[in-house]
Amino acid sequence: DSGVTQTPKHLITATGQRVTLRCSPRSGDLSVYWYQQSLDQGLQFLIQYYNGEERAKGNILERFSAQQFPDLHSELNLSSLELGDSALYFCASSVEGQGGTGELFFGEGSRLTVL
Amino acid sequence: AQSVTQLDSQVPVFEEAPVELRCNYSSSVSVYLFWYVQYPNQGLQLLLKYLSGSTLVKGINGFEAEFNKSQTSFHLRKPSVHISDTAEYFCAVARMDSSYKLIFGSGTRLLVRP
Repeated sequence: DSGVTQTPKHLITATGQRVTLRCSPRSGDLSVYWYQQSLDQGLQFLIQYYNGEERAKGNILERFSAQQFPDLHSELNLSSLELGDSALYFCASSVEGQGGTGELFFGEGSRLTVL
Repeated sequence: AQSVTQLDSQVPVFEEAPVELRCNYSSSVSVYLFWYVQYPNQGLQLLLKYLSGSTLVKGINGFEAEFNKSQTSFHLRKPSVHISDTAEYFCAVARMDSSYKLIFGSGTRLLVRP
């Protein structure tokens, strides 16, 4: 158990819909990262938050957005869903935003299926 | 920008045989190096990491990796694999700067056969 909690574990929805994925980081971790894992794209970094502020952005579509709340949990919002958005979405956390070792602790993922 | 190449998408091996999973990286700045393992229907778990110092790094479950700066490689090895080692293995790099976002390779599926 990594200590990172993601909900829901599975989600099935239709094209054009909007979903929200939730992540609770390990106790004490200030950084939250979102990754998308798909068969054709592999593991893609989407976005990072540190203590409520956006720290780094990767290959995140404009239809996707994220935020980190004062209690440090994070939500990833996916809108106008397309079939190609079907993937496993991972959240990871780490204690540092600067300095440190870069080790991330991953949740078990939220599997999104868009029909 | 950084990139990670895992040339082997799948490595089949017999139980108790040695295995090497290859990883090469490209970066214009210093990086940290990692190997993660993903078992079926689970998240990623850290196997080992190289930050500095000795180029031979030992991790969990009997795995080790060697950092070779001149060849920009970080190959993962295990002298004797078990059926339970069947999983997807990811090599990753992280810049030594503020973001620490991990850049992953495409993964290598290790398939251990009895």
